[in-house]
Amino acid sequence: SQTIHQWPATLVQPVGSPLSLECTVEGTSNPNLYWYRQAAGRGLQLLFYSVGIGQISSEVPQNLSASRPQDRQFILSSKKLLLSDSGFYLCAWSTSGSFHETQYFGPGTRLLVL
Amino acid sequence: GQNIDQPTEMTATEGAIVQINCTYQTSGFNGLFWYQQHAGEAPTFLSYNVLDGLEEKGRFSSFLSRSKGYSYLLLKELQMKDSASYLCAVLDSNYQLIWGAGTKLIIKP
Repeated sequence: SQTIHQWPATLVQPVGSPLSLECTVEGTSNPNLYWYRQAAGRGLQLLFYSVGIGQISSEVPQNLSASRPQDRQFILSSKKLLLSDSGFYLCAWSTSGSFHETQYFGPGTRLLVL
Repeated sequence: GQNIDQPTEMTATEGAIVQINCTYQTSGFNGLFWYQQHAGEAPTFLSYNVLDGLEEKGRFSSFLSRSKGYSYLLLKELQMKDSASYLCAVLDSNYQLIWGAGTKLIIKP
């Protein structure tokens, strides 16, 4: 069966510091991968998605970036965090080949920028 | 613009039935998803509708009317563990998932 991991689970970072969040998927090959952010009381905001190694699509202009160095690894980064970057970051995967497929979420990383 | 509307919060009694509505205006339609999200946790998949009608899955059912831009999630025989937020999401013509803000369901004994 497929599993998706994210770490760290929680993170407290000062403004201006760098960020690296990691997501890995097991039990599937060439998945579509997604990074979302969820602010309190708000819907999920798609940040990035990837259909393959090195292929990243950005949905929202911001100070975040994403990379996919391996088939089942997706990384969210920032060089300098802003207060507005605080939120719940979720990684998700779906079966490749079709965006009709259900997305399955990792446990999430709660980020607090102070 | 694209918009998904759901009630912010609903309250129901253990053992009862509750219907959570979702209306949408999107550029195209390629299906509608319902997810459950317990506080502090990730969303988990409940249902997917792409054709009109009712899909039943145990205590949960989901209904879709594409002509009305409307869906509902029906929860029967409510249990305390059903207390969670329920997220409606629509796949638009570009195959992007547009998410509602979610409905927080509070179950009282």
